Formats: sequence, structure tokens, C-alpha cells
Amino acid sequence: LAKTTQPISMDSYEGQEVNITCSHNNIATNDYITWYQQFPSQGPRFIIQGYKTKVTNEVASLFIPADRKSSTLSLPRVSLSDTAVYYCLVGVRTNAGKSTFGDGTTLTVKP
Amino acid sequence: DTGVSQNPRHKITKRGQNVTFRCDPISEHNRLYWYRQTLGQGPEFLTYFQNEAQLEKSRLLSDRFSAERPKGSFSTLEIQRTEQGDSAMYLCASSLGGGSGDTQYFGPGTRLTVL
Repeated sequence: LAKTTQPISMDSYEGQEVNITCSHNNIATNDYITWYQQFPSQGPRFIIQGYKTKVTNEVASLFIPADRKSSTLSLPRVSLSDTAVYYCLVGVRTNAGKSTFGDGTTLTVKP
Repeated sequence: DTGVSQNPRHKITKRGQNVTFRCDPISEHNRLYWYRQTLGQGPEFLTYFQNEAQLEKSRLLSDRFSAERPKGSFSTLEIQRTEQGDSAMYLCASSLGGGSGDTQYFGPGTRLTVL
């Protein structure tokens, strides 16, 4: 199983760009990288998924270097409502049980 | 609302009692997953179904836990003889499965408290 390592916590201020990096040194060839956001007492919410290079959607960007041993979630211009726990998940999309969540990064956005 | 739904949202029970949770996945999704999450930890995989077939079970799923997905639609997770250590949030997720659509979408969870 691909183990992931993320910072335990990060602080930011409203309007700033936040980058959260996840290390996954033993990522397998078929593994994809997915990021989720979770608010207290709610289920995780899908943010973005990628395999290599860069992926961008309406809420975030995901940067994956050529060796794929890490990935960076970029949140542009965060607001107070972005305060949440962010999880990096690495696994084969068609092999459900082989994806493992780490302990996540608690992002606190301050006014 | 066409997302994943779970019932009940909260359950308080006494040690030794049996509890059952229900998950209704997104209608066109053929994969369904159960996770357990304790405070301060990420979700831990318990089991998953491809349609009605239970294809994978974690070592975390002891003999007291059983999951079913009759007819490949909703799923139930039953915990028999609950213990205080079973107190957690139980999350359900679903996905299309295969191809390019295997992103898991999570429900709101059922919070279990065992007294």
C-alpha cells in the first residue's frame, strides 16, 4: 500500500494561496492521487484527482512532478470556509481497498 | 438530493447491543464502500462491494461486523455485541467503478456512540 505523509497542520490568511504537499514515495505505476476535503461531522468531499503533471478544476490545482513521489494541492485565494482537514489519497482507481487515507492536514484560515 | 445518504446520522447504544446502519449510494454507482473514522484520524477502509458482491474486507472488519448489499443497491452495516471501541463515525462512499469514473463520493456518515 502506498503510504502518504502530509503536514499535520497549516495556517493561512484569507486571500492567500495555500499549497499542501503530500509525500508518497512508494506510489505504484497504476496509482492515482486524489485529494479530499473534510469538515467536522461530515464525510470527505472530493476536490481533485490526477496521475501526472498538472490538473486544474474550478476549486484547486494539483501539481505532480515527473517522479510522482509527491504531489501538491494548491488552493487559490482561500477564505474562512476553506478551514478543514485535507486528505491525500493514493491508490489504484479500480482497486478500492488498496487506497489508504493518511491523517490529513488541518488547514486553518484566519481573517 | 442525488448524493450518498446514510441513516441514521447518529446512534447511541449500550455496550452489547446490535446496531445496523444503512447507506444509499448514488443511483448509477455500482461500487459501494464502508469506512470507519475515529477522532483525529483519516477514514479506515472496512469493505467494498461491486454490485451485490462483497469483494474486499479489511482486517478491521471483525466477526462482529457484517455488511450486505442485496440487489446491488443500498447497503447495510451491522455491528453485533457492540463494544466501546466501536464508537466512531461510519462512512459510506460510492463510485461508478472502472474506466475513468472511480472517484469515491462520500455520505455524511453515521456517528456511533457506545456507552
